[in-house]
Amino acid sequence: EIVMTQTPLSLPVTPGEPASISCRSSQSLLESHDGNTYLDWYLQKPGQSPQLLIHTASYRASGVPDRFSGSGSGADFTLKISRVEAEDVGVYYCLQRIDFPYTFGQGTKLEIK
Amino acid sequence: QVQLVQSGAEVKKPGASVKVSCKASGYNFANSGINWVRQAPGQGLKWMGWISVFTGNTRYAQKVQGRVTMTTDTSTSTAYMEVRSLRFDDTAVYYCARDGALDVWGQGTTVTVSS
Repeated sequence: EIVMTQTPLSLPVTPGEPASISCRSSQSLLESHDGNTYLDWYLQKPGQSPQLLIHTASYRASGVPDRFSGSGSGADFTLKISRVEAEDVGVYYCLQRIDFPYTFGQGTKLEIK
Repeated sequence: QVQLVQSGAEVKKPGASVKVSCKASGYNFANSGINWVRQAPGQGLKWMGWISVFTGNTRYAQKVQGRVTMTTDTSTSTAYMEVRSLRFDDTAVYYCARDGALDVWGQGTTVTVSS
């Protein structure tokens, strides 16, 4: 099973400031057959279902504001928010889906200072 | 629009079974897959398993292997997940999510196991 490790687990941020979350996997998420890296980022706002933010490491999902960006390769990934807004509060999860069982990171709780 | 609508909340006794449904609309259900994810109270997301609607192939998380069965009905575009021999620690919100990058999620179904 691929282990996903997120840091930090708690992230207090002042509105308008940037934020960054790290996700590391216990093995590479690069699929050699198609060249894709199967790492996604999700946000679960309070009381809601999770929503997809970034797929295959760096592609923003439809409707996601451009202040969200994903980067990284192999086993080391980062989600960045260029300027945090109040609506960005919630828990952020990374997910690997290169291999079964799919595995999530522990989650990073972003709160507004 | 593309959506997944899940069945309502359930309360079950330990040892009983529960079957959660997930009705898809707005896309080609027959050529897709469905993932199931659960979230215990105050905890993170845990992937439970996947089913290919086209082939019927399934993969399950080891923790629930042997107690969970995932199925689909293409005539109604509905996916199902049954959990048997329910335990207290199966109390959770259960989500279905479209396969690929889990880009569409159901609203969640709360299953409470209580004596």
